[in-house]
Amino acid sequence: AQKITQTQPGMFVQEKEAVTLDCTYDTSDPSYGLFWYKQPSSGEMIFLIYQGSYDQQNATEGRYSLNFQKARKSANLVISASQLGDSAMYFCAMREFSGGSNYKLTFGKGTLLTVNP
Amino acid sequence: GAVVSQHPSRVICKSGTSVKIECRSLDFQATTMFWYRQFPKKSLMLMATSNEGSKATYEQGVEKDKFLINHASLTLSTLTVTSAHPEDSSFYICSPCRADNNEQYFGPGTRLTVT
Repeated sequence: AQKITQTQPGMFVQEKEAVTLDCTYDTSDPSYGLFWYKQPSSGEMIFLIYQGSYDQQNATEGRYSLNFQKARKSANLVISASQLGDSAMYFCAMREFSGGSNYKLTFGKGTLLTVNP
Repeated sequence: GAVVSQHPSRVICKSGTSVKIECRSLDFQATTMFWYRQFPKKSLMLMATSNEGSKATYEQGVEKDKFLINHASLTLSTLTVTSAHPEDSSFYICSPCRADNNEQYFGPGTRLTVT
């Protein structure tokens, strides 16, 4: 079974509008972390935002916010006021902190976001 | 933020040759190194995990004799693709895990093309 599911292979958004990228996860580990990364065409992985499983509040970083719904095991990324430079591949990832997993990150398949002018 | 370098950034080689990719954490020590492979328009797939001074642990389906990983120091890890074939053409990304806080960072990647 997939641990991280991103159901949107591609998304389009108009410049200056908000967009939500979906991510659901599967784990039995009570302690885990959820990450979002941006990968532009250059290939570098850019860290955007992190949410710990015990964090009470949703994480926010500038125009990025994470809609964390623990009971539903979802961790959607919301990008507000989209910019042309936001066009990239976006990956949701999870890190489990117990079970001897060496804290490795497991990635979803990604969502290709295109921001239209 | 932490700085991670990978060298080379791009390499083209002929079938049958071996290619070594270096990954360095420039301003922190990494006890654990993850190596990922990414095919075009696909996700990052973990190939192996190595801890400094120990043998690497490979994910299912990854040939350890083909993808040699050396993690000889806390700031350097290498991935050698031996006897490369065109199907090994991919984007390889190293990801060191910082020793003092367990945060994971990513190198800029190496694009390997085997002709």
